[in-house]
Amino acid sequence: AQSVAQPEDQVNVAEGNPLTVKCTYSVSGNPYLFWYVQYPNRGLQFLLKYITGDNLVKGSYGFEAEFNKSQTSFHLKKPSALVSDSALYFCAVRVLVLEGVYGNNRLAFGKGNQVVVIP
Amino acid sequence: DVKVTQSSRYLVKRTGEKVFLECVQDMDHENMFWYRQDPGLGLRLIYFSYDVKMKEKGDIPEGYSVSREKKERFSLILESASTNQTSMYLCACQLDSPAGYTFGSGTRLTVV
Repeated sequence: AQSVAQPEDQVNVAEGNPLTVKCTYSVSGNPYLFWYVQYPNRGLQFLLKYITGDNLVKGSYGFEAEFNKSQTSFHLKKPSALVSDSALYFCAVRVLVLEGVYGNNRLAFGKGNQVVVIP
Repeated sequence: DVKVTQSSRYLVKRTGEKVFLECVQDMDHENMFWYRQDPGLGLRLIYFSYDVKMKEKGDIPEGYSVSREKKERFSLILESASTNQTSMYLCACQLDSPAGYTFGSGTRLTVV
């Protein structure tokens, strides 16, 4: 099945320390990968995406992610975490859907990681 | 920037009621999606649409239907609300592949 996995439910990190949120994927063909962040009682906001090119992708709010094809991973990173980074983070992968009238694609999301940055 | 507006942030409905959740986008995007979000389960796709009057079932369509009469509006309908449909509902739109999604702020529905 085409999917992503976020193995940790919660990530706790001290303010100022590096933050890593893990994601592994399973897809047919070349992966299109995304990270989103959700603050309490809000919708998801786009952080960054990998389509092709440089394996290190830079995104919003100082976040970056590293695409690793051999490990089928797309971990989200931030060198120095802020208390305001405390939120729910979702990894997503484009899934090709060929059945039905419309052959098309959609995003499959992981279960999410709660990040808690401790002051 | 694309704006996706969900008509209600919080909604409380009674069991058996017919419930309409509205989603409107302002950027002429073809693709629109409805997800529900539950703790520990992430986002699960209910229905999606790639064109006006077109709809496709997602992973959990049971108990739901949708309507897309105009390009900018995608409505989710709970024909007869039940308590297990208490959840956060998220609408999203997408210009085309490989663009990501733009999400609305969500509607937290409680069925009592």
